This record gives sequence, structure tokens and C-alpha cells, in this order.
Amino acid sequence: EPEVTQTPSHQVTQMGQEVILRCVPISNHLYFYWYRQILGQKVEFLVSFYNNEISEKSEIFDDQFSVERPDGSNFTLKIRSTKLEDSAMYFCASSDSTGSYEQYFGPGTRLTVT
Amino acid sequence: SQKIEQNSEALNIQEGKTATLTCNYTNYSPAYLQWYRQDPGRGPVFLLLIRENEKEKRKERLKVTFDTTLKQSLFHITASQPADSATYLCAYEDNFNKFYFGSGTKLNVKP
Repeated sequence: EPEVTQTPSHQVTQMGQEVILRCVPISNHLYFYWYRQILGQKVEFLVSFYNNEISEKSEIFDDQFSVERPDGSNFTLKIRSTKLEDSAMYFCASSDSTGSYEQYFGPGTRLTVT
Repeated sequence: SQKIEQNSEALNIQEGKTATLTCNYTNYSPAYLQWYRQDPGRGPVFLLLIRENEKEKRKERLKVTFDTTLKQSLFHITASQPADSATYLCAYEDNFNKFYFGSGTKLNVKP
């Protein structure tokens, strides 16, 4: 069964450093998403991406964040200058249509900013 | 703005009983609601979607209802098993391609 994959599973970085989180969505899917979940809190929408551009983004997704689909298979989330409060689990998801269909989530990348 | 709320207290039930979880929303009725399961340290897994013009949806031991008058969706697991223990999330789509999740309700099914 196809699945969304994410790398790395755990990333430790120092405050102020740039990180890139990588995702490989399901191959025939058209819509891609990034979410974050701070430990013990709810899953929070960051950004959606369709047709090589951002569809929607949340207030969390400020200028420090960017997304890219560099090669038609990978989907990346970059945080330019990490802060302590960026420590969270980051989930990538994909779907084959708008949200009226199910989103398939990856296993997540745990980001720890020290 | 729209809010989506789930009971943050854990639900503890005995194996074999029916678990009922609640999702409430404020303001306008979303076109549909989704329900997901999340296990510790893992990504959410889609379970069911119910549209606002559907009263009820079933899948095996799962049943979801949508009451636009009460602004509420109920998620039922019948004949619950310890393996059903997890956190259950409801979610809706606001604008095109922008999603909101509830905080989830943790279900503990005791043998």
C-alpha cells in the first residue's frame, strides 16, 4: 500500500540554524500539506500546496517558513532560523483531491531545537 | 472565527462496550467533517468522512453522525477492543485547502 514517507525521523538543531524537513508524498496525489504538533497539543495546519504553489497558509507559517517541490517527488519544509518554540513533530500529508477526500499522513519528523 | 472542540478528558470504557466521542463546532456548519485516529508518536490515520447532508455514516464497527442543528458530530465505536485505544481527532476544512483539527479525545479500552 502506498504511503507518505518523511526524513529524517528526528532532527536536532541549534537555535538560529536552518533545517529542511523532507517528505515524499504518494505518487499520484496532487495536494500536499505540512502540519505541526507540539507535544501534548493539537495538530496545527501550516500550509497546503497545489499545482506548484501555496494554496493556503496559517498564521504560524511566517517568513521563516518556506515549502518547495524541487523535483516532482519530494516536498520540503524549510525553517530558515529555528527558534526554541519550533520544537515539535512535523507531519507531511497528501491527498488526491481537495480535503473532501482523506489525507494520508507521514510518520512525522520530530524537530528538537536546543 | 470557527472553532472545533473535543472533550479533552480521556474516555475510559470496558472492552465490548460502545465508545461515543463528541466533536462540537461553533458558527457555520462545515461542508463535511473528518475523523482520524492518532497513536502516540505517529501521524493521524483517516477513518471516516461525513458530509453535512448525511445524517450517519458507517464503516465496520465505526459510526459517525452529523447534527447541524446541534452543531455536533458523534463518533461511535461498537464492541470496543483494547486495540481501539488511541486518540481520536475530528477535523474540518475551512477555506479551500485549509484544515483545522480538534484537540482530540483519548480513548482507553480496558480488557
